[in-house]
Amino acid sequence: QKEVEQDPGPLSVPEGAIVSLNCTYSNSAFQYFMWYRQYSRKGPELLMYTYSSGNKEDGRFTAQVDKSSKYISLFIRDSQPSDSATYLCAMSTGNQFYFGTGTSLTVIP
Amino acid sequence: DTAVSQTPKYLVTQMGNDKSIKCEQNLGHDTMYWYKQDSKKFLKIMFSYNNKELIINETVPNRFSPKSPDKAHLNLHINSLELGDSAVYFCASSQDFGPDTQYFGPGTRLTVL
Repeated sequence: QKEVEQDPGPLSVPEGAIVSLNCTYSNSAFQYFMWYRQYSRKGPELLMYTYSSGNKEDGRFTAQVDKSSKYISLFIRDSQPSDSATYLCAMSTGNQFYFGTGTSLTVIP
Repeated sequence: DTAVSQTPKYLVTQMGNDKSIKCEQNLGHDTMYWYKQDSKKFLKIMFSYNNKELIINETVPNRFSPKSPDKAHLNLHINSLELGDSAVYFCASSQDFGPDTQYFGPGTRLTVL
């Protein structure tokens, strides 16, 4: 079983839609949860970073962590064509890192 | 100014060759990493150095050897290249080791023929 599971998609939504991206994990030692955005042929860039459970909001982006269910989500409100990218979840125990396989998102104008 | 840079951007080579990928960061970070991203976009950490000391060495073949001449540089040398080594290799850096914000380079696309 992989440490982190993420649906690869692809996911295609119309502009303005709310997007929900999710990851599940098996290691209860994960304390740090991150979402990275990766444009085609570019390196990943950090979008959101959360410690332990709870919600975090940054503009149109909201990250949620439910440690009891071992489930994390990233919501994108009012999605824009510029949000079209691959979104990778990442988790860490503090000294081990694991990434999901990424979800490919296309926002259609 | 580029924060994390890698050279070359593209590398096409024959099986059995030895090649190196260079990485430099100008962020003053203490920790640097090498990741491999396969064709299915799966990103896996290979190595991590903190202040020139190796702190993560995941299960990768011995043919892969990182070298950190100073805090700002972490190079990756690969011996006897194999077809399965074809992937995009990303260098990253962060201030501290741990889940700190990692800044990724643009990647080096390695193709082994």
